[in-house]
Amino acid sequence: EAGVTQFPSHSVIEKGQTVTLRCDPISGHDNLYWYRRVMGKEIKFLLHFVKESKQDESGMPNNRFLAERTGGTYSTLKVQPAELEDSGVYFCASSQDIGGWGEQYFGPGTRLTVT
Amino acid sequence: AQSVSQHNHHVILSEAASLELGCNYSYGGTVNLFWYVQYPGQHLQLLLKYFSGDPLVKGIKGFEAEFIKSKFSFNLRKPSVQWSDTAEYFCAVNALSSASKIIFGSGTRLSIRP
Repeated sequence: EAGVTQFPSHSVIEKGQTVTLRCDPISGHDNLYWYRRVMGKEIKFLLHFVKESKQDESGMPNNRFLAERTGGTYSTLKVQPAELEDSGVYFCASSQDIGGWGEQYFGPGTRLTVT
Repeated sequence: AQSVSQHNHHVILSEAASLELGCNYSYGGTVNLFWYVQYPGQHLQLLLKYFSGDPLVKGIKGFEAEFIKSKFSFNLRKPSVQWSDTAEYFCAVNALSSASKIIFGSGTRLSIRP
């Protein structure tokens, strides 16, 4: 069974540009999560999808971040326009448990560098 | 607000030494508890988890953790570390009231001297 995959593994962009990160969850997992770790800080929750619906987006930092999960399969996280403080590692996770209560499986992360 | 505290930012040990990494969380309700590990160049992977039952849980690679509800703690232990245990370790909590999100501690970097 394939794990959670993320693309790209690393992205370097200039301030003001747009970047789109992609996450493919484990097949059959209805729950998909985005997390972010900025340099030296803890990993922080961004949002949670159940199928194509946003269940909880309380962790999204501001309206420059837009997450979508059309069709309830893969998800994208777009940052537009990117700022220096958006640099960090963006993790995606998926879970099959009802309500998201239980174990989440993490992807390798996308390292975003904004210069 | 819920939070997770890891007491040590960086721990350096020699091979064969015993390890204990502290973790405390602040939440009074029902929780799931996790320890995740990230080896150099690899992605986060689950080391062990506590959902219910026996508060002493055993994970992969000889790690174990003990849930002490009265102390809101979930410390990670290993009796004899190996060089290959060099990694960053994250304690995490998933609370029933906020079923979606996992709250992570800031991580403990473990360096093992061969």
